[in-house]
Amino acid sequence: GAVVSQHPSWVICKSGTSVKIECRSLDFQATTMFWYRQFPKQSLMLMATSNEGSKATYEQGVEKDKFLINHASLTLSTLTVTSAHPEDSSFYICSADDISYEQYFGPGTRLTVT
Amino acid sequence: QKEVEQNSGPLSVPEGAIASLNCTYSDRVSQSFFWYRQYSGKSPELIMSIYSNGDKEDGRFTAQLNKASQYVSLLIRDSQPSDSATYLCAVNKKRGGATNKLIFGTGTLLAVQP
Repeated sequence: GAVVSQHPSWVICKSGTSVKIECRSLDFQATTMFWYRQFPKQSLMLMATSNEGSKATYEQGVEKDKFLINHASLTLSTLTVTSAHPEDSSFYICSADDISYEQYFGPGTRLTVT
Repeated sequence: QKEVEQNSGPLSVPEGAIASLNCTYSDRVSQSFFWYRQYSGKSPELIMSIYSNGDKEDGRFTAQLNKASQYVSLLIRDSQPSDSATYLCAVNKKRGGATNKLIFGTGTLLAVQP
């Protein structure tokens, strides 16, 4: 299957700082990339959908000014959590569509805000 | 009614048995159906995709789709302790297109007893 990478795999930051997470499709060009958040023992929650070169589409209730998404190329999307607070601590996972529109997930980034 | 429903489990089966995981969806226009496996603390991994009524087999896994009953299932033959994980059912209303969004069930926890 297609391979999606994320960096970093985990990050600890102080409250009020910003954190950038990268998502790359390594062996394919992704039509669309998706960002999810998952709290412990809960299911995946879609945050936003992004297509290369266009603005991201955010799900209801997700603050677009807090979670900045940039999709600069067909293989790279970034999520920046701005002014992070402890309640933003979560497991952030990206996914990407391959040419057959099947979604493959990255390994995830565990964010802890102290 | 949830759009995608799964029994949360846990579903406990002995090693070597067949594990049967079920999923129902509410929207009849759904076109694409996926099973993901998620180990604790890890991101989801695509196991199977199915688009047409009937069975689709891949190794020890068989996906079954019945659009008339709005029902998807996953059978795991010769279950192994390493199959112990949460299995997520995901449904897509439209294959491809501008927003290829997956709708996830809450997952079924499978425990294979040695």
